[in-house]
Amino acid sequence: QKEVEQNSGPLSVPEGAIASLNCTYSDRGSQSFFWYRQYSGKSPELIMSIYSNGDKEDGRFTAQLNKASQYVSLLIRDSQPSDSATYLCAVLAAGGGADGLTFGKGTHLIIQP
Amino acid sequence: DVKVTQSSRYLVKRTGEKVFLECVQDMDHENMFWYRQDPGLGLRLIYFSYDVKMKEKGDIPEGYSVSREKKERFSLILESASTNQTSMYLCASRSSSAVNIQYFGAGTRLSVL
Repeated sequence: QKEVEQNSGPLSVPEGAIASLNCTYSDRGSQSFFWYRQYSGKSPELIMSIYSNGDKEDGRFTAQLNKASQYVSLLIRDSQPSDSATYLCAVLAAGGGADGLTFGKGTHLIIQP
Repeated sequence: DVKVTQSSRYLVKRTGEKVFLECVQDMDHENMFWYRQDPGLGLRLIYFSYDVKMKEKGDIPEGYSVSREKKERFSLILESASTNQTSMYLCASRSSSAVNIQYFGAGTRLSVL
């Protein structure tokens, strides 16, 4: 059974601070990792993808991957109230996963002005 | 830009009705998916398809069926709608390439009365 675990939160962070979101996964052969942002009542939108160990930066967002520890994280620098949303971690199994991504249940992030 | 279009944003149906949810993607993706999302339960996979006329059950297929007669279109069918099928329904598509990014439609909020 493939599992992706996230702390459901809510995680409350002051505006301008760094928000740190974490995710662990059970399938050691997983090959691709994604972070989606979902505003209330809307569909998930992709904000970051990462495929190899280390850090990947895109603007205020940094994704970190450690395959040995089966751990993925997302850092949001200079957090803004518009970053308040639920963040979904998603993992693609080895072999391409015809059944799609395995999603965590999401972490609810609140940025306090 | 990849576009996944769901035919309705909101639907209200009566118990026992047959309900069709339509999804169209414009990026020639091989893989298409139907999820439902409920508070506290996360995204749950109902059915997926990796080719025309091919369909596979996901985690919660009971009470649903699907149709994929053309590559770009994937339909979800509720044969006899019940109140416990009130939910947000999300369609997604993904190519089989190494990039493997999964794109979502805007979602259909279905209420069964």
